[in-house]
Amino acid sequence: AQRVTQPEKLLSVFKGAPVELKCNYSYSGSPELFWYVQYSRQRLQLLLRHISRESIKGFTADLNKGETSFHLKKPFAQEEDSAMYYCAPSRVSGGSNYKLTFGKGTLLTVNP
Amino acid sequence: DAGITQSPRHKVTETGTPVTLRCHQTENHRYMYWYRQDPGHGLRLIHYSYGVKDTDKGEVSDGYSVSRSKTEDFLLTLESATSSQTSVYFCAIKGGSNTEAFFGQGTRLTVV
Repeated sequence: AQRVTQPEKLLSVFKGAPVELKCNYSYSGSPELFWYVQYSRQRLQLLLRHISRESIKGFTADLNKGETSFHLKKPFAQEEDSAMYYCAPSRVSGGSNYKLTFGKGTLLTVNP
Repeated sequence: DAGITQSPRHKVTETGTPVTLRCHQTENHRYMYWYRQDPGHGLRLIHYSYGVKDTDKGEVSDGYSVSRSKTEDFLLTLESATSSQTSVYFCAIKGGSNTEAFFGQGTRLTVV
């Protein structure tokens, strides 16, 4: 069965500390991998996607196919990074169905 | 912001009454999704659509139905609302493979 796991519901760090939000997936084939972020009282928005290998707001995510992980990292957390983060693997699930599912999310709090 | 709007934004309804939420897009995106967001559960997919009149179930579809009679509108109906359906509902749209998903502002539904 297809599954995405974000093991930490809550993560609290101090400003300037490194942060890593974990994501493990169990999908057949090669899913597309995304991270989305939801700031307080706002709609979800894309943070980054695997295929573009970009760095957004200092965040990067490395795909490890062996461990089936797509962990999100930032070397120096900022208070404005406090938000809910969702890992989202996606794949075509037969025919032209394109199913987009999310992990349960990790609430990151960056303390001053 | 991408052209996606949800209506209503807030609704209080009584147990047993039917409720319809509307998602409207102006992007002509093929894929549309309905999620519910609950503490501790993250975003759970209810139903999604991959074209006009083409829909499929998500992971929590019981008690919900959807319709998509035209590209721009995706309706979510609770046939007989229950208190367990009190939640925040999000609609999302997506163009295709490896593209970003855009989210609506959310609808806060309370069933009393």
